[in-house]
Amino acid sequence: AQSVSQHNHHVILSEAASLELGCNYSYGGTVNLFWYVQYPGQHLQLLLKYFSGDPLVKGIKGFEAEFIKSKFSFNLRKPSVQWSDTAEYFCAVNLGGATNKLIFGTGTLLAVQP
Amino acid sequence: GAVVSQHPSWVICKSGTSVKIECRSLDFQATTMFWYRQFPKQSLMLMATSNEGSKATYEQGVEKDKFLINHASLTLSTLTVTSAHPEDSSFYICSARASGGPSGTQYFGPGTRLLVL
Repeated sequence: AQSVSQHNHHVILSEAASLELGCNYSYGGTVNLFWYVQYPGQHLQLLLKYFSGDPLVKGIKGFEAEFIKSKFSFNLRKPSVQWSDTAEYFCAVNLGGATNKLIFGTGTLLAVQP
Repeated sequence: GAVVSQHPSWVICKSGTSVKIECRSLDFQATTMFWYRQFPKQSLMLMATSNEGSKATYEQGVEKDKFLINHASLTLSTLTVTSAHPEDSSFYICSARASGGPSGTQYFGPGTRLLVL
């Protein structure tokens, strides 16, 4: 069965530190990849997405992610985090087709200390 | 743009009663809406895919007679938890895919927290 794994359940960083959150998926076909963020008390928001083309995609708020097909990975990065980045981050994969279902990873809770 | 609302934002009910949750796309039309359930400290689990004008497609293990889904218009889908029990207490989130929008891109509602006593 297709799955998405996020290796870090929670990450604690100080402001200005660099961030990298891992995401791996298990599916051999063409995929669309997403990172969503959920700030405390708020709904899920799209950070960035990859459909095709340049495997390095840039999203909002200085985030970027790199799709490495050979590693089935789509890691999220930010060179310098801020306190306001404290949130839960979800990686998701869409297998396409008629249903357009999203399969979510378990999420990574990021806490940024001021 | 691409705003999705849910109503109510939270509900407390007695065991055995039914609860209806509404999901609306406010500024776009959505042929497809999705219903998720999120348990504490866990990820979103897709319950069903709702297509306007047709029957919903339920994920394995989700009881369609317990979780009734109606997608009567391009901007509204409803989830009714019938004869709710304490184990149905959870955070229910809907999302909507814009008609003709990019494959897989979904816009999420703020969620509805259900507590069954």
